[in-house]
Order: sequence, then structure tokens, then C-alpha cells
Amino acid sequence: GAVVSQHPSWVICKSGTSVKIECRSLDFQATTMFWYRQFPKQSLMLMATSNEGSKATYEQGVEKDKFLINHASLTLSTLTVTSAHPEDSSFYICSARDLVARSSYEQYFGPGTRLTVT
Amino acid sequence: GQNIDQPTEMTATEGAIVQINCTYQTSGFNGLFWYQQHAGEAPTFLSYNVLDGLEEKGRFSSFLSRSKGYSYLLLKELQMKDSASYLCAVREPYNNNDMRFGAGTRLTVKP
Repeated sequence: GAVVSQHPSWVICKSGTSVKIECRSLDFQATTMFWYRQFPKQSLMLMATSNEGSKATYEQGVEKDKFLINHASLTLSTLTVTSAHPEDSSFYICSARDLVARSSYEQYFGPGTRLTVT
Repeated sequence: GQNIDQPTEMTATEGAIVQINCTYQTSGFNGLFWYQQHAGEAPTFLSYNVLDGLEEKGRFSSFLSRSKGYSYLLLKELQMKDSASYLCAVREPYNNNDMRFGAGTRLTVKP
């Protein structure tokens, strides 16, 4: 089946530094990838949608200059949290969908990245 | 925008049946999903409904009524491992068909 990986699975960084999270589709080409954020005991909140080769579409309230998304290839999207602050500590999850080769409804989630900013 | 509502918490007994409801209000609709999520893990796909009716898959069933903006997830023969959060998500027919998630229902299965 389709597998999505994320790296790192967890990261601790100091306030003011930047952190890059990678999301890879391992056995399919992901034309569209989604980035979600989840705070403890809350549901997933969509942050942005990225299509390969184009700029990401950010949800209202998500700062595009703070959360940089790059979907440079059909198997890789990255989310960079710039100038991280403790309130950015969260569980970041990506998901990917291939609208070409697979059923249109299937969307595959990565295992998530736990970010802690100290 | 859209609202997706589901109960915050539910408790049930091992071996019993539990129904988790989800209501939604949306300007467009392109399918409803149920996911299971254990703490600290990514969601795992349970079911997908795009037409009215019941979809059965083993111990799990999902029902959809588009006219009522209503779905439920039915879990039979509950097991302790079913203790998790259950997320209802609606797909929009625009913006790349992305999914909007409800807040999730935390189910606790007791012996």
C-alpha cells in the first residue's frame, strides 16, 4: 500500500531557531500534499495545501512567512518552521494524495513529527 | 467554511456496541471520512462514504445521510484496543479536495 514517511519523528529545538520537517511519499507520486497541525487533545487543523511545482495555499490565520512549504518534487514536501517559539510546539502531520494513479478519495497520512520548542 | 460536530468524549464497555455521530454543514460535499487516531500517532483510515447509506467493514460500519448532513460510525464487539479518538472529516469539492476534520471523539472502552 501507499506509504508516507516523515522525518524527523520528533525534534527539540531552541526558541528562535528554524526546523525543517520532510514528508515523502515512498511508493507513489504525490501531486498534492497537505500539512496539518494538532495540539494536545485537539483535532487536526489544516495549515496548507501544496501542489508540486507551485506555491502552497495557506489556510486563514497561518503565516506563510513563518511556515515555509516547498513541494519541489512529486515525492517530497518540506515544512520549515522559522524562528520557532514555544507556542509552535505541536504534532505536525502531512498527508499525500495521488490524483492520477489512485482512487480519488484515498489520502495517506505520515506518522507525524512531534516538535518541542524550548 | 463548514462546521463539523461530534461528541467530545464517549465511554463504552468491552463487547458492547457504540455509535459515534457526526453532523456537518458545508457549502459543498465530496465525501465523508472516519479515521481512528491513537494518542501520539497519525490517523488511520476507517471508512469513506460519498453516497447515502451504510458501509460495513468488519466490526466497523459507517452511515451517511447527505440530506441531513449526518453520519455515524458504528463499532461492534468493542475491544480495549478500540480506545482512541475517532475523527470525522468532510472533503470539500474545491481547493484540491482537502479534508476538514471535526474535533474528534475520544472513546474509552472499559472492561
